[in-house]
Amino acid sequence: EDQVTQSPEALRLQEGESSSLNCSYTVSGLRGLFWYRQDPGKGPEFLFTLYSAGEEKEKERLKATLTKKESFLHITAPKPEDSATYLCAVQPQTGANNLFFGTGTRLTVIP
Amino acid sequence: NAGVTQTPKFQVLKTGQSMTLQCAQDMNHNSMYWYRQDPGMGLRLIYYSASEGTTDKGEVPNGYNVSRLNKREFSLRLESAAPSQTSVYFCASRPGQGAPTNEKLFFGSGTQLSVL
Repeated sequence: EDQVTQSPEALRLQEGESSSLNCSYTVSGLRGLFWYRQDPGKGPEFLFTLYSAGEEKEKERLKATLTKKESFLHITAPKPEDSATYLCAVQPQTGANNLFFGTGTRLTVIP
Repeated sequence: NAGVTQTPKFQVLKTGQSMTLQCAQDMNHNSMYWYRQDPGMGLRLIYYSASEGTTDKGEVPNGYNVSRLNKREFSLRLESAAPSQTSVYFCASRPGQGAPTNEKLFFGSGTQLSVL
């Protein structure tokens, strides 16, 4: 069964305190893995797509990495404006025409 | 640069009432989607429209109907609302045709629906 698990559910960081969010997945072949950011009361906003193990992508203080079983979203020296819920989603190679979303990690960065 | 616009933002219904959630995009995208987001669960696909004139069921279609009115607009209808349909509903779109795939989605801001 295709499944996406994100951890931790919630994370509180001091401004400048780097950390990582985890997305573990089990799918019948991976076509793509996505990271989205969701602010309260808003829809998800696209951050990255990763396609194969070993791939990395960066955007400002965020870096996403991918292995055969999981993806990490590394946040370096976070700022309060990085506070949001970060969602992971996977696209299986075959089968269901769908994205499977995780439940997200709610990140709070304290000034 | 409106993107994907959803109306209404909030709605309270009584069990058995009907309503239509509206979604419009101004990006000339081909595909449009309706998701629901519930606490403790990931976003789940209700219905999608791979191109103008077509609609297909997603993961959780029961209790819903959709209409792709034209290329811009994709509506979601609840014919007889139930408390289990209390959720936040998101409309999304993408340029290509087909089911959600490895092309990024553009989401609206959501409709918070409560069914009493």
